[in-house]
Amino acid sequence: DQQVKQNSPSLSVQEGRISILNCDYTNSMFDYFLWYKKYPAEGPTFLISISSIKDKNEDGRFTVFLNKSAKHLSLHIVPSQPGDSAVYFCAASALESGGSNYKLTFGKGTLLTVNP
Amino acid sequence: DTEVTQTPKHLVMGMTNKKSLKCEQHMGHRAMYWYKQKAKKPPELMFVYSYEKLSINESVPSRFSPECPNSSLLNLHLHALQPEDSALYLCASSHDGQGWNGYTFGSGTRLTVV
Repeated sequence: DQQVKQNSPSLSVQEGRISILNCDYTNSMFDYFLWYKKYPAEGPTFLISISSIKDKNEDGRFTVFLNKSAKHLSLHIVPSQPGDSAVYFCAASALESGGSNYKLTFGKGTLLTVNP
Repeated sequence: DTEVTQTPKHLVMGMTNKKSLKCEQHMGHRAMYWYKQKAKKPPELMFVYSYEKLSINESVPSRFSPECPNSSLLNLHLHALQPEDSALYLCASSHDGQGWNGYTFGSGTRLTVV
């Protein structure tokens, strides 16, 4: 059962335009949501996060929106640049059941290609 | 130092070999993690160490054996692996496992079992 879903395996946009990456989740116990960017042969790099008590967080060209009632979040990149081309993972954290540690659950990722 | 360093970057091993993956961080983080990532799949949690004690084992087969010798080091000992264990193995660390502080990932070890 996939608790974090990224339904678009790939997205292609033109340089300078907006990239919108979407993520849905099912577990209402998630309390933080994160986006990671991953280049081939490298580990994921943290991009931006949002607490479940907020609906928007902005950092430079990156903005994450959270709609708790719809259990949906999105990452907006404006303007998109060719260097943004990578796999973007949505991830969510929750306290492990019956424990005291936080676990991170990842979506399958979306490959973003920004064309010059 | 804000990095998680993993060695080796690439490893090819036979099914009868014994090898170890190493992970090191000097950020003072007290929680360390092993993830496994197969091609076109999300990273999957394997083990969590919190304050050098194993706190989560996600039902990983015993051919994978984690070890945390001290707060800066995390090892993953491999023995009698199968070809389907070939994957990217990612190490991560966080401030501690209690409360969300974000993760820092290493660049991974690409493991091929032949």
